[in-house]
Amino acid sequence: NAGVTQTPKFQVLKTGQSMTLQCAQDMNHEYMSWYRQDPGMGLRLIHYSVGAGITDQGEVPNGYNVSRSTTEDFPLRLLSAAPSQTSVYFCASSYGPSSGNTIYFGEGSWLTVV
Amino acid sequence: AQKVTQAQTEISVVEKEDVTLDCVYETRDTTYYLFWYKQPPSGELVFLIRRNSFDEQNEISGRYSWNFQKSTSSFNFTITASQVVDSAVYFCALSEAGGTYKYIFGTGTRLKVLA
Repeated sequence: NAGVTQTPKFQVLKTGQSMTLQCAQDMNHEYMSWYRQDPGMGLRLIHYSVGAGITDQGEVPNGYNVSRSTTEDFPLRLLSAAPSQTSVYFCASSYGPSSGNTIYFGEGSWLTVV
Repeated sequence: AQKVTQAQTEISVVEKEDVTLDCVYETRDTTYYLFWYKQPPSGELVFLIRRNSFDEQNEISGRYSWNFQKSTSSFNFTITASQVVDSAVYFCALSEAGGTYKYIFGTGTRLKVLA
């Protein structure tokens, strides 16, 4: 029972490089989202998707891009990495209102931009 | 606007002590969900409990209990007879009923249980 799987777990990037954080879920959840966690700030929503082909911006979308071509996958792209994007990233998924909005998180991806 | 406040940044207790983690929320919605998540030192986020706004019954699960009071907009979490394994960061979160993608998280409370 894999749940929500994120890769890579750790990554170091140079400023200006681009990369994609992968996220996959095997629970047939419609809702998927990306959060970033920074010290003293809790988790903040970057982008979210309510189904294949539908995405929207969250609280802190600048510098990130997403797409949802399948129900299972929701990759997060960093277009041109900046030191301010050093953070821990969590992918999450949910059935939605039928499950009382409970979301389940992946194990996190630690990203350092130097 | 929605907001979740966890005023306790860090709490240290000695093993077997009881400890309460506070959570105060703000929302204009009449229907919403409240959550607690645990983040142990390994870093993953573990779902602990969900409570909807129409259910004010307190809940107990083993050594964990939750006190939901709409009158004070609080959803506090108590650990009875704390153990070292309870050491973690605990997050309280709020979600509007229709917007499952929009969780508002508190800044978290770091709990240290000392042996």
